[in-house]
Amino acid sequence: AQSVTQLGSHVSVSEGALVLLRCNYSSSVPPYLFWYVQYPNQGLQLLLKYTTGATLVKGINGFEAEFKKSETSFHLTKPSAHMSDAAEYFCAVSDRGNSGGYQKVTFGTGTKLQVIP
Amino acid sequence: KAGVTQTPRYLIKTRGQQVTLSCSPISGHRSVSWYQQTPGQGLQFLFEYFSETQRNKGNFPGRFSGRQFSNSRSEMNVSTLELGDSALYLCASSGLATYEQYFGPGTRLTVT
Repeated sequence: AQSVTQLGSHVSVSEGALVLLRCNYSSSVPPYLFWYVQYPNQGLQLLLKYTTGATLVKGINGFEAEFKKSETSFHLTKPSAHMSDAAEYFCAVSDRGNSGGYQKVTFGTGTKLQVIP
Repeated sequence: KAGVTQTPRYLIKTRGQQVTLSCSPISGHRSVSWYQQTPGQGLQFLFEYFSETQRNKGNFPGRFSGRQFSNSRSEMNVSTLELGDSALYLCASSGLATYEQYFGPGTRLTVT
């Protein structure tokens, strides 16, 4: 079974400050890991993903995340917050299994990021 | 490529009615997944269809059903609507790598 825990349902940062959104996962097999962003009344947009290879993954809009197996973490960071980063962010995990061709994706409960001018 | 489209975007229904939501996946994608998103429960998996067959199902009552057509378009139906069914319903399509999901804008369903 796989699960995702996002620490902090709400995070506030000042414009220009570091953004750090925390995600810990549980998976019985090496996972695939994702971060999605959701703006109000919109669907989820893939920010970045880790499947294999380099553990530091760069995504869109200046975000990056580092896969740390020993800590079972995949925290999302951005050096300098912008007002347009205000949104809800979801961490997700998928196993590498192939049960009938489907790799289940489990989402965290989300973290709302507020950016203060 | 055009993205995932969902219709309608907004819907208001009365308790006891039924509703059908539609999802058109990205061209070439054969897997379509449906999710229910609510403030209290977050994103919950409803079901997934591939080549007109339901491959996986979440823990929802039988009032929630779906189907997929030969062109990969998918519909989900909710019968006998309850107030608790008010939610954003999201559809996601995938290619062969079903873990990589592309979401539509969602349908906001309000049940009164």
